[in-house]
Amino acid sequence: AQTVTQSQPEMSVQEAETVTLSCTYDTSESNYYLFWYKQPPSRQMILVIRQEAYKQQNATENRFSVNFQKAAKSFSLKISDSQLGDTAMYFCAFMKQRFGSARQLTFGSGTQLTVLP
Amino acid sequence: GAVVSQHPSRVICKSGTSVKIECRSLDFQATTMFWYRQFPKQSLMLMATSNEGSKATYEQGVEKDKFLINHASLTLSTLTVTSAHPEDSSFYICSAGQGGDQPQHFGDGTRLSIL
Repeated sequence: AQTVTQSQPEMSVQEAETVTLSCTYDTSESNYYLFWYKQPPSRQMILVIRQEAYKQQNATENRFSVNFQKAAKSFSLKISDSQLGDTAMYFCAFMKQRFGSARQLTFGSGTQLTVLP
Repeated sequence: GAVVSQHPSRVICKSGTSVKIECRSLDFQATTMFWYRQFPKQSLMLMATSNEGSKATYEQGVEKDKFLINHASLTLSTLTVTSAHPEDSSFYICSAGQGGDQPQHFGDGTRLSIL
């Protein structure tokens, strides 16, 4: 079974600053995907970024980037130039890689990020 | 991008009522749909996985007779909370997957309040 751990229940950052959210996971799988989802107060689940485990290059999406350390089973999210709209709960998630049917996501407990004006 | 529509967004009803929540994939065929439950300030807990045309697979501790799931087509899955009680009050979210390495797409969720 897979586990995903987010050790920071709450974090805050000043607007325009940079913040890093931590995530570690445990799995015996060698091929998998990792995701960061954002859930604002509206409670929509929004995909922020994803990383394929077989890729060594860290994924980047505009102001969002990850530091993926496969050997350490670590997958942190860096948000640069933080904006007020980044205030949300952030979930780290794991998915096995399989062909065919969609696979379930295993979520971490979440980190509530507040961007301060 | 892929869109998943979930209805209703909010339900308030009396104890003992059965409530049906729909999850539709609007522009793709979803071979698999997932149903999650989320309590305030907590993570998403997988309740069940449904594959089109077959019985749903429930997670340990989830009552299959309480939470009926139907996935009759490649674009529609329904969750029926039967004889709902106040302890069933929660936020329910569905997601739909196309398979392979495609990410899941989430509905906007349903806030269920049982009085």
